Amino acid sequence: SQTIHQWPATLVQPVGSPLSLECTVEGTSNPNLYWYRQAAGRGLQLLFYSVGIGQISSEVPQNLSASRPQDRQFILSSKKLLLSDSGFYLCAWSIDDTEAFFGQGTRLTVV
Amino acid sequence: AQSVTQPDIHITVSEGASLELRCNYSYGATPYLFWYVQSPGQGLQLLLKYFSGDTLVQGIKGFEAEFKRSQSSFNLRKPSVHWSDAAEYFCAVNTGNQFYFGTGTSLTVIP
Repeated sequence: SQTIHQWPATLVQPVGSPLSLECTVEGTSNPNLYWYRQAAGRGLQLLFYSVGIGQISSEVPQNLSASRPQDRQFILSSKKLLLSDSGFYLCAWSIDDTEAFFGQGTRLTVV
Repeated sequence: AQSVTQPDIHITVSEGASLELRCNYSYGATPYLFWYVQSPGQGLQLLLKYFSGDTLVQGIKGFEAEFKRSQSSFNLRKPSVHWSDAAEYFCAVNTGNQFYFGTGTSLTVIP
């Protein structure tokens, strides 16, 4: 069966520090991969999605970037965190358009 | 551009009462439609989905949703709410590779 791993579960980082959140999927090949951010009262905002290795589409311009170095690995990064980057980050995968499967999320607090 | 609107930010219902959560979408064609539920600090779990065919779809945990093309709506319903249904509910659409979510409705269940 397919599983998705997302880590760390919680993270507290100072302003200006770098960020790396990792997401891996097991049990499937060539999934579509997604990064979402959930801020209080703002629902889930699609940040990046990827349909293949090295293929990244950005939905909104911001202080973050994403990479897909391997088929089932999706990384969310920042060179210098801002206070506004705080939030709950969710990774998800899908094979077709029929369902997105979510990780357990990372709570990021920038202080 | 596609969008998903959940007009109710927060809803409170009594246990045993009926529930309806509203969702409207904006898209040129009929997208794939979804309802997800999120418990605090967790990822999202799929409740139900609609692709085509019967406009009334049944999901897990006793939930159902009805697609109304004329109203561009996909409202979620449950005839009798349980205390364990307290959570955040998200409506979503897929327009081809991307899943877009509404801002969510927070459900409180009172005894």
